[in-house]
Amino acid sequence: QLQLQESGPGLVRPSETLSLTCTVSGGLIRSESYYWGWIRQPPGKGLEWIGSIYYSGSTNYNPSLKSRVTISVDTSKNQFSLKLSSVTAADTAVYSCARGYCSRTSCYVAGDSWGQGTLVTVSS
Amino acid sequence: QSALTQPASVSGSPGQSITVSCTGTSSDVGAYNFVSWYQQHPGKAPRLMIYDVNKRPSGVSNRFSGSKSGNTASLTISGLQAEDEADYYCSSYTRSNTWVFGGGTKLTVL
Repeated sequence: QLQLQESGPGLVRPSETLSLTCTVSGGLIRSESYYWGWIRQPPGKGLEWIGSIYYSGSTNYNPSLKSRVTISVDTSKNQFSLKLSSVTAADTAVYSCARGYCSRTSCYVAGDSWGQGTLVTVSS
Repeated sequence: QSALTQPASVSGSPGQSITVSCTGTSSDVGAYNFVSWYQQHPGKAPRLMIYDVNKRPSGVSNRFSGSKSGNTASLTISGLQAEDEADYYCSSYTRSNTWVFGGGTKLTVL
């Protein structure tokens, strides 16, 4: 069974860079048609798509975050990572990694494979 | 890109049916049949309930159904049960090769 696990600091200072890694187990990150994404949820608020990456390294980002976001993949470690620069209190949220799927006839941002989510607080 | 528009809350009694709407634009909901719906209970990860407008993943009750007309997608839950009480989010692929979520709808089972 595919499992995803986020790791990284739970506290980041304002103006610094938030860095998280998602480790995939029980399956290969190098999978056709599947892609790997980050989604966040501020406390008490809704879901926000941050961005996604294919194992090839091809990325797509939320336009509102694009200037600050970098998502990368390391197929040798079966991991993908998120970096969000110049963070502010507004970036405080539960950050989750998830597997999505997209083909010519079917597409969804996240399926049945999600990490448990990790709360990242931006505070001095 | 703007978030898709969902009602903040809906409610219904056990056994009834409810519908949650999700309104976007011709650049997202209206552009592709790639609308999905997620159920989220407090403190839990979202669960995919509907994808590609009206397809159910295995294990999802057939009480959940989806549809789309123009720029508006809908999730219908029939035979409402207490365990259906949760937050529901729609999402859509966009012409910019990105994803957008709705603001979420809180379903209360009376």
